Amino acid sequence: DAGVIQSPRHEVTEMGQEVTLRCKPISGHDYLFWYRQTMMRGLELLIYFNNNVPIDDSGMPEDRFSAKMPNASFSTLKIQPSEPRDSAVYFCASSLLAGVSEQFFGPGTRLTVL
Amino acid sequence: SQQGEEDPQALSIQEGENATMNCSYKTSINNLQWYRQNSGRGLVHLILIRSNEREKHSGRLRVTLDTSKKSSSLLITASRAADTASYFCATAVRGGNQFYFGTGTSLTVIP
Repeated sequence: DAGVIQSPRHEVTEMGQEVTLRCKPISGHDYLFWYRQTMMRGLELLIYFNNNVPIDDSGMPEDRFSAKMPNASFSTLKIQPSEPRDSAVYFCASSLLAGVSEQFFGPGTRLTVL
Repeated sequence: SQQGEEDPQALSIQEGENATMNCSYKTSINNLQWYRQNSGRGLVHLILIRSNEREKHSGRLRVTLDTSKKSSSLLITASRAADTASYFCATAVRGGNQFYFGTGTSLTVIP
């Protein structure tokens, strides 16, 4: 397996634009997590899915953020409209069993909002 | 916040020395995991220790867990320049599905 795949790796956009981040989890993993990492706040869990169903989105900062998982092999995190304070590295991770097994992280998407 | 805290925030040692990082957390846990993050990369799982375990080894890594003190330590023996990275602890809260990551320790191993 190629591991967790994220695209794009880097995204530079202007304030107000819509941003879509993509993730392909490891095949067979039932759990998918979206994290955001900044120097100030560290690694924050935004939302996680179990079998394509969102379970906990309490970490999503605002209504501008939304996430979907239309099937077991694809998830998106969308920010609309984007703001400079959204600049961060966004990670997707997947795991076989949440809470009791390791998480496999993608390489991340570095987002810069100008 | 349920987020754990690592101590120290930054650590610089010479190659060959041992590196010790500590993690404190706040709630009852199912297990605790340590991850490594190289600059510009995603996190990589190192080791998992369950709440009923006190010590675990994996190669040059030694992890201890003290649930009474709500703390864990990661020891890297005979460090190498390639060990330079940030190290995070992650706690799986009992009864929960997600992990809470600590603030990380930045380790620099000087050749």
